[in-house]
Amino acid sequence: ETGVTQTPRHLVMGMTNKKSLKCEQHLGHNAMYWYKQSAKKPLELMFVYSLEERVENNSVPSRFSPECPNSSHLFLHLHTLQPEDSALYLCASSQDAPPGGPNYGYTFGSGTRLTVV
Amino acid sequence: AQSVTQLDSHVSVSEGTPVLLRCNYSSSYSPSLFWYVQHPNKGLQLLLKYTSAATLVKGINGFEAEFKKSETSFHLTKPSAHMSDAAEYFCVVSELNSGTYKYIFGTGTRLKVLA
Repeated sequence: ETGVTQTPRHLVMGMTNKKSLKCEQHLGHNAMYWYKQSAKKPLELMFVYSLEERVENNSVPSRFSPECPNSSHLFLHLHTLQPEDSALYLCASSQDAPPGGPNYGYTFGSGTRLTVV
Repeated sequence: AQSVTQLDSHVSVSEGTPVLLRCNYSSSYSPSLFWYVQHPNKGLQLLLKYTSAATLVKGINGFEAEFKKSETSFHLTKPSAHMSDAAEYFCVVSELNSGTYKYIFGTGTRLKVLA
């Protein structure tokens, strides 16, 4: 375990379902991130939270809705997804201020493998 | 604008031989550079990072990388490959831009280690 825990590890959902992905870190980090990893494409940054405030939203469709209730937890709420949303969703955290910084790397979770049918 | 190019999408080496994974970057300012490794069905793990200190950076599992500003490169090397090194490797550049740091990931290099 890296210190960043993602649940569930695998999720299969229909296009009309609503589900949520959960990410938890107890590393004392102040920034958290959602990334999408699709086959043969670079990692795509979706959302950035710093000190529980969303500081970046990279033109992500509204069917993805993030939530950060406290500095240790991050959620990604999913509804009416499309088959092309099938991917590995990675959560990461870092100790940075502002989000991102030269002397820190990210700690990633193991990801949630999402399949939309 | 910053970018990262990983020159090889796949690299195959025999166990016990050297590993070279190539990364070139473009950056308007002084970047920080990272290498991450991803094993199957796992998240990304930080291997090493360059943050304007020593240009030769040593990381975990015997990997190292050299920052060469004149060549805008940050290639990852290991003297002797092990079967457990088979994974995907990502080069990342971080740059301060408009008050925030942006992390740009390369497209990855899949390393195969042959017995």
